[in-house]
Amino acid sequence: QKEVEQNSGPLSVPEGAIASLNCTYSDRGSQSFFWYRQYSGKSPELIMFIYSNGDKEDGRFTAQLNKASQYVSLLIRDSQPSDSATYLCAVQQETSGSRLTFGEGTQLTVNP
Amino acid sequence: GAGVSQSPSNKVTEKGKDVELRCDPISGHTALYWYRQSLGQGLEFLIYFQGNSAPDKSGLPSDRFSAERTGGSVSTLTIQRTQQEDSAVYLCASSQGAGGAPKYFGPGTRLLVL
Repeated sequence: QKEVEQNSGPLSVPEGAIASLNCTYSDRGSQSFFWYRQYSGKSPELIMFIYSNGDKEDGRFTAQLNKASQYVSLLIRDSQPSDSATYLCAVQQETSGSRLTFGEGTQLTVNP
Repeated sequence: GAGVSQSPSNKVTEKGKDVELRCDPISGHTALYWYRQSLGQGLEFLIYFQGNSAPDKSGLPSDRFSAERTGGSVSTLTIQRTQQEDSAVYLCASSQGAGGAPKYFGPGTRLLVL
């Protein structure tokens, strides 16, 4: 079992829809969770982080964390073509210090 | 201000040669990370520097890999006796403070070992 799993996609949504990106993790002691966006040929950029169970909203982005289910998700409201990218989920485990374990990413395409 | 810079942007080398990759973090950032990304894969942690503390080298895949950070600023990742499986994009990132996530990534060095 991979430590951090994401559906590779591609996930395709129409412009204006809600895109839902999901991530599960295996280490129950994981404490911090991050979402990165990576445009094709570019470096990742940190867009959201969440530490506590529940929802965290930032503009059109909402991160959701459920530690009991070992599940973290990213919702993108009113999706735009400019949101088309690969989204990487990363987990900071309790014993790993500042080391993040990344999933392989979900490719999102928003169709105009 | 300037972001994280890396050089070279591309490097092609022959199997068995040594390579050096350089990272200039954002000025004042105490945390510096090296990750690598193989085609279609997530990021793989290599090493983490925080201030004057001993680096976390737990992600280095073999003793052919080493890294140093001079004066708390510039970092160099060295790969000795390169192998084809070392081919990847090597990404450097920096952040302020300790204990957080890599926040600002550089453009990466694309390494191809023939």
